[in-house]
Amino acid sequence: QKEVEQNSGPLSVPEGAIASLNCTYSDRVSQSFFWYRQYSGKSPELIMSIYSNGDKEDGRFTAQLNKASQYVSLLIRDSQPSDSATYLCAVNSFTGGGNKLTFGTGTQLKVEL
Amino acid sequence: DVKVTQSSRYLVKRTGEKVFLECVQDMDHENMFWYRQDPGLGLRLIYFSYDVKMKEKGDIPEGYSVSREKKERFSLILESASTNQTSMYLCASRDGPSYEQYFGPGTRLTVT
Repeated sequence: QKEVEQNSGPLSVPEGAIASLNCTYSDRVSQSFFWYRQYSGKSPELIMSIYSNGDKEDGRFTAQLNKASQYVSLLIRDSQPSDSATYLCAVNSFTGGGNKLTFGTGTQLKVEL
Repeated sequence: DVKVTQSSRYLVKRTGEKVFLECVQDMDHENMFWYRQDPGLGLRLIYFSYDVKMKEKGDIPEGYSVSREKKERFSLILESASTNQTSMYLCASRDGPSYEQYFGPGTRLTVT
């Protein structure tokens, strides 16, 4: 069973700080990695995709990937109260039936005023 | 922008009823997925489809079936609803080259 692990939190950060969200995965051959944001009662929204080792930046978000350590992270700079949500890490894996995403259970982020 | 729509936001059904959940995407994606999401268990894949009339079981297919007669539409069927199928049901479609999945708004199903 391929696994994706996240700390459930809650992770509390003050407004304006950097929030760091972490994820580890078990499938060594995974090539595609995603971060989703999910507000309470809403569906997941894709915010970042990363495919190569290193950093990928998009506005206040930076995704970091280290395939050797099987580790992917999401940094949120200048955190805002509107960033308060659950962040899901997802990893694409190929199984006998095709390519599927395996999701972590999510990290709850709280940005405090 | 990718748009994935689901037929209902909230649905209440009785035990034993047959339930249809429909999902439509407008991006000509070949791959579509049905998940359920429960507190503490995360997103679990029920079924997916990589082409019209094709389907594959996910991790928890028991008690469910699916139908994909047209590329843009993927239906989830609960043949005889049970209370343990009370959940949030999420449909997604996937862009082939990037493997990015896009979710619909979800259907919160309550079976009483």
